[in-house]
Amino acid sequence: AQTVTQSQPEMSVQEAETVTLSCTYDTSESDYYLFWYKQPPSRQMILVIRQEAYKQQNATENRFSVNFQKAAKSFSLKISDSQLGDAAMYFCAYRNYGGATNKLIFGTGTLLAVQP
Amino acid sequence: GAGVSQSPSNKVTEKGKDVELRCDPISGHTALYWYRQSLGQGLEFLIYFQGNSAPDKSGLPSDRFSAERTGGSVSTLTIQRTQQEDSAVYLCATSTGRTSNQPQHFGDGTRLSIL
Repeated sequence: AQTVTQSQPEMSVQEAETVTLSCTYDTSESDYYLFWYKQPPSRQMILVIRQEAYKQQNATENRFSVNFQKAAKSFSLKISDSQLGDAAMYFCAYRNYGGATNKLIFGTGTLLAVQP
Repeated sequence: GAGVSQSPSNKVTEKGKDVELRCDPISGHTALYWYRQSLGQGLEFLIYFQGNSAPDKSGLPSDRFSAERTGGSVSTLTIQRTQQEDSAVYLCATSTGRTSNQPQHFGDGTRLSIL
């Protein structure tokens, strides 16, 4: 069974600085997707960035980028020029490629605080 | 509406009561998921519906939990004889179809508190 591990329960960053959130996963599959979701206090899960395992190039979305290391099964999220609105719980998630269900498997999350 | 709608937003009930949670998907989304988020935990998969196919119930924690999806649209998650450990946020997500590259869109969830 696949698992996702986030070893940092809480992180803090100064406004305008850069922060990296860690995520590791375990799978025997070769094709899969990885995601970072943001959950503000409103509870809605917002997709931040997505990475296809077959792509070597790291995904980037504006100030958000990932460092995908397939051999190490590592998928970290870098937030550049942090803003107060980035404060939230961040979840790393895994999904198989294909398959009958395509359910997401989540880590336990990292609570990010942004200091003004 | 444009997004996934869940109701109620919050529900407080006594232990032993039955509860029903509702999810209205984005129009045209054939795939629907229920997840549970317990305090301090990530999201845990409960059940998956895809069109008219038999649902994947592999994540339901006990036979007190059931879900249905009428007409391929609205879904209801029912918890019978609620226990305190059922207290959690229940999130619904939908996507456009079967293929795994379609993103899941989440609702705001229902916060369930069992007294």
